[in-house]
Amino acid sequence: DIQMTQSPSSLSASVGDRVTITCRASQSISNSLNWYQQKPEKAPVLLIYAASTLQSGVPSRFSGSGSGTDFTLTISSLQPEDFATYYCQQSSSTPYTFGQGTKLEIK
Amino acid sequence: QVQLVQSGAEVKKSGASVKVSCKASGYTFTSNYMHWVRQAPGQGLEWMGIISPNGLSTSFAQKFQGRVTVTRDTSTSAVYMELSSLRSEDTAVYYCANSGGWYGPFDYWGQGTLVTVSS
Repeated sequence: DIQMTQSPSSLSASVGDRVTITCRASQSISNSLNWYQQKPEKAPVLLIYAASTLQSGVPSRFSGSGSGTDFTLTISSLQPEDFATYYCQQSSSTPYTFGQGTKLEIK
Repeated sequence: QVQLVQSGAEVKKSGASVKVSCKASGYTFTSNYMHWVRQAPGQGLEWMGIISPNGLSTSFAQKFQGRVTVTRDTSTSAVYMELSSLRSEDTAVYYCANSGGWYGPFDYWGQGTLVTVSS
């Protein structure tokens, strides 16, 4: 199975900050990397797919980059509604594994 | 708009089975793949398996093989996930999630179904 490792596990930041979350795959997955946002008691929401393509309706302050084994999710200017948990997920091969999550909290 | 509506919460005894449904609307049901993902309390997301649009192809994470069955009913645009031999570690919220391809991202999710397993 492909292991996905996110860092950091948690992060405190302020509104307006630029934030970067990193995801590393245990083997090359090309650009088969997706990012999800999950708020408490809610289902995850797709933010970015294929490493860097913004899902329709997602604000442009979210961006993704990377290929192979190393990927990043960047939020250019944090808004109050962005405080949530973020997960990366590889869709290169089954089982489709997720990172452990990064909880983004208000400083 | 696309909607995936799941069945309600369940409480089961250890050793029993549970069957969760996911009813789709707002898109062409027969063209999309469906996944099941679960999340134990306070934990991360865990992919369980996938079923193809025609229901003939499935793939499951090894830890669930032999215990999980996923089926789909085209006439009702519903997908079903049955998990047997339940144990306390299976207590989780179970989500269905749609993708446009076998390797696609999960672009639409159901609201989740809490399954509680008690001894």
